[in-house]
Amino acid sequence: EPEVTQTPSHQVTQMGQEVILRCVPISNHLYFYWYRQILGQKVEFLVSFYNNEISEKSEIFDDQFSVERPDGSNFTLKIRSTKLEDSAMYFCASSAGDGTEAFFGQGTRLTVV
Amino acid sequence: GQNIDQPTEMTATEGAIVQINCTYQTSGFNGLFWYQQHAGEAPTFLSYNVLDGLEEKGRFSSFLSRSKGYSYLLLKELQMKDSASYLCAVGRSGAGSYQLTFGKGTKLSVIP
Repeated sequence: EPEVTQTPSHQVTQMGQEVILRCVPISNHLYFYWYRQILGQKVEFLVSFYNNEISEKSEIFDDQFSVERPDGSNFTLKIRSTKLEDSAMYFCASSAGDGTEAFFGQGTRLTVV
Repeated sequence: GQNIDQPTEMTATEGAIVQINCTYQTSGFNGLFWYQQHAGEAPTFLSYNVLDGLEEKGRFSSFLSRSKGYSYLLLKELQMKDSASYLCAVGRSGAGSYQLTFGKGTKLSVIP
């Protein structure tokens, strides 16, 4: 069964460092998303990406965040200068179209120390 | 703005039926999703309603009333493995974009 894959599964980084979280969405999907979940809290939308550009982003997705689809398969989230409060589980998701279910990857647990 | 409410926790007995309610206020509504999330894992899709009524899928059913901003997830013949958080999420579209807004989740504990 097709699945969304994310690497790494766990990343520890020092405050102020840049991190890149990687995702391979399901191959025939057109919409890509990043969500995050701080421990014990709800899943929060960060950004949606369609047709090689950001289609919507939340207030959380400030200038420290960026996304790229560098080739036909990868979808990355970059945090330029990490803060302690960026510690969370980051989920990548993809869907075949709008209004269809999003499939989530297993997540990357980011710990900023 | 978006507002999604669901109970924080519920407990039910193995073999029983449980109903998890969700109410929402949103603009640009385009579907109501239920996801299951085990601790430390990713959300997995359970059901999707875009029209009013009941959708049945094995032991799981989901109901939607758009006029009331209300949905529920019904789990039958509960099993211990159903212990998890159940996330209500509203799909919202507009200006060529689409996103899911999640509620805080209902933690369901299934007891013997």
